[in-house]
Amino acid sequence: LAKTTQPISMDSYEGQEVNITCSHNNIATNDYITWYQQFPSQGPRFIIQGYKTKVTNEVASLFIPADRKSSTLSLPRVSLSDTAVYYCLGLPGGSQGNLIFGKGTKLSVKP
Amino acid sequence: DTAVSQTPKYLVTQMGNDKSIKCEQNLGHDTMYWYKQDSKKFLKIMFSYNNKELIINETVPNRFSPKSPDKAHLNLHINSLELGDSAVYFCASSPHGADSNYGYTFGSGTRLTVV
Repeated sequence: LAKTTQPISMDSYEGQEVNITCSHNNIATNDYITWYQQFPSQGPRFIIQGYKTKVTNEVASLFIPADRKSSTLSLPRVSLSDTAVYYCLGLPGGSQGNLIFGKGTKLSVKP
Repeated sequence: DTAVSQTPKYLVTQMGNDKSIKCEQNLGHDTMYWYKQDSKKFLKIMFSYNNKELIINETVPNRFSPKSPDKAHLNLHINSLELGDSAVYFCASSPHGADSNYGYTFGSGTRLTVV
């Protein structure tokens, strides 16, 4: 499984775009990159998953460059309710194996 | 309808007791999991289980045992509870070959406090 490294914390203001970068230098050929969000007192919630280039859904975008050694989760126009911990994980085959969580990035959105 | 539901939400018990946490998913998923989140907020996999295979994280004490009466349920039994077992326990599920659009679905957690 790819070992991932993320900033421990980030601060932002409402309405800004937030980019959280994750490093995964030892990513394997069949590893996908998946992101989860966790609010206090709740279970993690799936945000987005990708293999390379760009993936976009109604919540976020995920950018993975050609070398796949890093990825960037982009949250457009954050609000106070986006304050949470964001986890970047490597997942073999996009579905095989267990999710191994790191420390995540604690995002604080201020008014 | 709650996709992955856990009961109880809170559990306070004394050391040495035996307790169970129930988990049910109504998503038709093939695989279920138990995770433990300690006071430092690290989420660690404990078990994964489908109708064919139980995979146990080797660091989990054998006082912890998963029981699956059917595909939609994976209960967690804990014997001889210790203070260090205090944590939030999350149940999760995923389809066989998790859909990349939806990922894994987690329950809301059970906060276990051992006194």
